[in-house]
Amino acid sequence: NAGVTQTPKFQVLKTGQSMTLQCAQDMNHEYMSWYRQDPGMGLRLIHYSVGAGITDQGEVPNGYNVSRSTTEDFPLRLLSAAPSQTSVYFCASSYGRGAGSGANVLTFGAGSRLTVL
Amino acid sequence: AQSVTQLGSHVSVSEGALVLLRCNYSSSVPPYLFWYVQYPNQGLQLLLKYTSAATLVKGINGFEAEFKKSETSFHLTKPSAHMSDAAEYFCAVSYSGGYQKVTFGTGTKLQVIP
Repeated sequence: NAGVTQTPKFQVLKTGQSMTLQCAQDMNHEYMSWYRQDPGMGLRLIHYSVGAGITDQGEVPNGYNVSRSTTEDFPLRLLSAAPSQTSVYFCASSYGRGAGSGANVLTFGAGSRLTVL
Repeated sequence: AQSVTQLGSHVSVSEGALVLLRCNYSSSVPPYLFWYVQYPNQGLQLLLKYTSAATLVKGINGFEAEFKKSETSFHLTKPSAHMSDAAEYFCAVSYSGGYQKVTFGTGTKLQVIP
């Protein structure tokens, strides 16, 4: 299994440009999420989804858009890039609910490093 | 709201010495607690998790953590540091049950000195 696959690994944008970070998982996980990682701030949740057609905001959603049309894919869209969105972005998934041993255990992608000039 | 606080953004230990990385949590309901490790230029990997079973949790690579409700702590330890343990470590919390968001701490970078 590939696990969680993120593309692209690196991207440079100019201020005001838009782009989509792709995330796909092949584990049939219901829960998917996007985090951004910045030095000294840990990982902050941007958006998450508990299944196809269901999304919700996390801690830092402004400037980002998501949709979940299939179980496998959860793209993150930057509508008008700003330098403050320079960061490393991680997609993570888990199989979801309940008190089972795997509940809420996240599987991470390798990350996408975005620079906005 | 749930949160975790990691004390010390950088920790240095000598090879063979005890590793202790501190994490305190805040949660109004019984939490699930996790430690993840991130090696340079990689994603995060699960080290261990607490999900209300045994309070002493053993993970991979010789790490373990103890859930102490009275102290709201979940500190990560390893008896003897190895050079390969150099990485960034993140404590995380979520509520038990259901689809719940996972909240991460700010991370602790572990340096192992030969």
